[in-house]
Amino acid sequence: NAGVTQTPKFRILKIGQSMTLQCAQDMNHNYMYWYRQDPGMGLKLIYYSVGAGITDKGEVPNGYNVSRSTTEDFPLRLELAAPSQTSVYFCASSYVVHKNTEAFFGQGTRLTVV
Amino acid sequence: RKEVEQDPGPFNVPEGATVAFNCTYSNSASQSFFWYRQDCRKEPKLLMSVYSSGNEDGRFTAQLNRASQYISLLIRDSKLSDSATYLCVVNSSGTYKYIFGTGTRLKVLA
Repeated sequence: NAGVTQTPKFRILKIGQSMTLQCAQDMNHNYMYWYRQDPGMGLKLIYYSVGAGITDKGEVPNGYNVSRSTTEDFPLRLELAAPSQTSVYFCASSYVVHKNTEAFFGQGTRLTVV
Repeated sequence: RKEVEQDPGPFNVPEGATVAFNCTYSNSASQSFFWYRQDCRKEPKLLMSVYSSGNEDGRFTAQLNRASQYISLLIRDSKLSDSATYLCVVNSSGTYKYIFGTGTRLKVLA
């Protein structure tokens, strides 16, 4: 009963490097989300997906890309890492059939860009 | 104006106290409302959904006021284990995007 799984849990990147944050869910959820959380702040939506093959920008998409080739996976790509992307990244999913459907979160990826 | 606003706190209360948090939202078409709890360096977890008629879960009571566009969370008989950040979450109408407030920090003191 894994739920939402994120890898890696921690990562240090150098400026200009690229990486992919992995997110997988085994609950057959149709909606998936990527958020970032800076210290002492709330979660800001980066990208979301309403189903395989469909993605859309959230509040803070610049510097990131996503893809959704399967229902289960929703990777987040950083192409040219910048110090401003130092944050904790949370992936979430939900099975949206009616309102009041909750979102389930992964344990987060702590990323530091130096 | 932020779409979801909360008082960041911290609220420092003694064990056994009753504490209340409010949250305001700007989009009058918002459909769904939630309170999430987030422990330090952990992922957010659902505490409770907020229904139009208000709802209660043990020591926790949530209320929704659509006319004034705010939701509230009341915690009775606070426990040390209630110390956490409480996130107000609003689901925007039609898109199912979960919009988070910045959170309210609660510290329950022995």
